[in-house]
Amino acid sequence: GQQVMQIPQYQHVQEGEDFTTYCNSSTTLSNIQWYKQRPGGHPVFLIQLVKSGEVKKQKRLTFQFGEAKKNSSLHITATQTTDVGTYFCAGREPNFNKFYFGSGTKLNVKP
Amino acid sequence: EAGVTQSPTHLIKTRGQQATLRCSPISGHTSVYWYQQALGLGLQFLLWYDEGEERNRGNFPPRFSGRQFPNYSSELNVNALELEDSALYLCASTLGGPLADTQYFGPGTRLTVL
Repeated sequence: GQQVMQIPQYQHVQEGEDFTTYCNSSTTLSNIQWYKQRPGGHPVFLIQLVKSGEVKKQKRLTFQFGEAKKNSSLHITATQTTDVGTYFCAGREPNFNKFYFGSGTKLNVKP
Repeated sequence: EAGVTQSPTHLIKTRGQQATLRCSPISGHTSVYWYQQALGLGLQFLLWYDEGEERNRGNFPPRFSGRQFPNYSSELNVNALELEDSALYLCASTLGGPLADTQYFGPGTRLTVL
């Protein structure tokens, strides 16, 4: 069945270092979304990518949707302690109208 | 504009009991999704309701059920509770339709089964 995997599962970085999480789907997706969940909180929508090869930026965050619309990445430049949390990708499978969340990458930033 | 609300915040039950969790979507949103998040783990899709109908369900046993009311609020029922049902249950709402995918999450209900 459909799977949306994220790697790495955990990442510990020193404040100021860069961070990247990768999202891979076994099938083509209509769109990809990214969410951030702070410890003890609920997921909050960050961004949606729809087009093949699309790249979007939000300040220090860069989001990319692969050409085949099966993978995506989130890159954070110069991490800050406020970036701590779990980052989830999510996407819709076009043929079966199903929506999947990735397994998440938990980011810890040491000051 | 009020966000997604869920009640109760915390719920403690014993094995075999039944739990009812409630969700009110953002005004104007017609779709409601339910997810289970066990401690430290990812989001497991439970149910999707749109315009009052169940559109899809995840790989959970039939004792997980729910419904959506005419005002688009939703209820998740878990029967014959088991210890492993202890988790954070999150509800999310969207505008509805296959292209309106931005999910707005509520704060969740923490269910503890003793």
